[in-house]
Amino acid sequence: GQNIDQPTEMTATEGAIVQINCTYQTSGFNGLFWYQQHAGEAPTFLSYNVLDGLEEKGRFSSFLSRSKGYSYLLLKELQMKDSASYLCAVRDSDYKLSFGAGTTVTVRA
Amino acid sequence: IAGITQAPTSQILAAGRRMTLRCTQDMRHNAMYWYRQDLGLGLRLIHYSNTAGTTGKGEVPDGYSVSRANTDDFPLTLASAVPSQTSVYFCASSDSAGDGADTQYFGPGTRLTVL
Repeated sequence: GQNIDQPTEMTATEGAIVQINCTYQTSGFNGLFWYQQHAGEAPTFLSYNVLDGLEEKGRFSSFLSRSKGYSYLLLKELQMKDSASYLCAVRDSDYKLSFGAGTTVTVRA
Repeated sequence: IAGITQAPTSQILAAGRRMTLRCTQDMRHNAMYWYRQDLGLGLRLIHYSNTAGTTGKGEVPDGYSVSRANTDDFPLTLASAVPSQTSVYFCASSDSAGDGADTQYFGPGTRLTVL
């Protein structure tokens, strides 16, 4: 099974940068995903890491260190529409996803 | 239809009643999944299907059953609903159950309340 930890809540100012950390303990690792979920909506895919290092996609970047069981999602130039929950998910050796409880990010003007 | 649809959007159900949540995808994805999402617990896998005709148990399968008669449909049945099954249920699909950046796409969810 998986044990996935991420902070419950974070608050930041519009235009700022926020880093959401995710640590995991896994019985088998086959990739790490980040999803965004606005209140009352479905999760949507943001990023995928399977090798160590940084993946950049516009204002969002995701980092992975497999040896440390650690990932982060970096949100730059925050906008009000970025207020949402961010879910860290680890795929195991059976290709099943296990999700963390999510980090609610609130962007203030 | 575009993507994944779920029905109903929301439902209030008396304890002990039988309920089927419907999920249909039009992307011809092989793999489909059912999750429940509860506050503070995140998404938890109930059942999955890697391909039509096969199903498997996830993390929290008790009290639920699924079937996969064809590629597009993956209904979830609660045989006798209990209040602890009050949750938001998400159906998801992916092109395969294999490796790579094989993203899961989620339906809009069904909000179920069992009284």
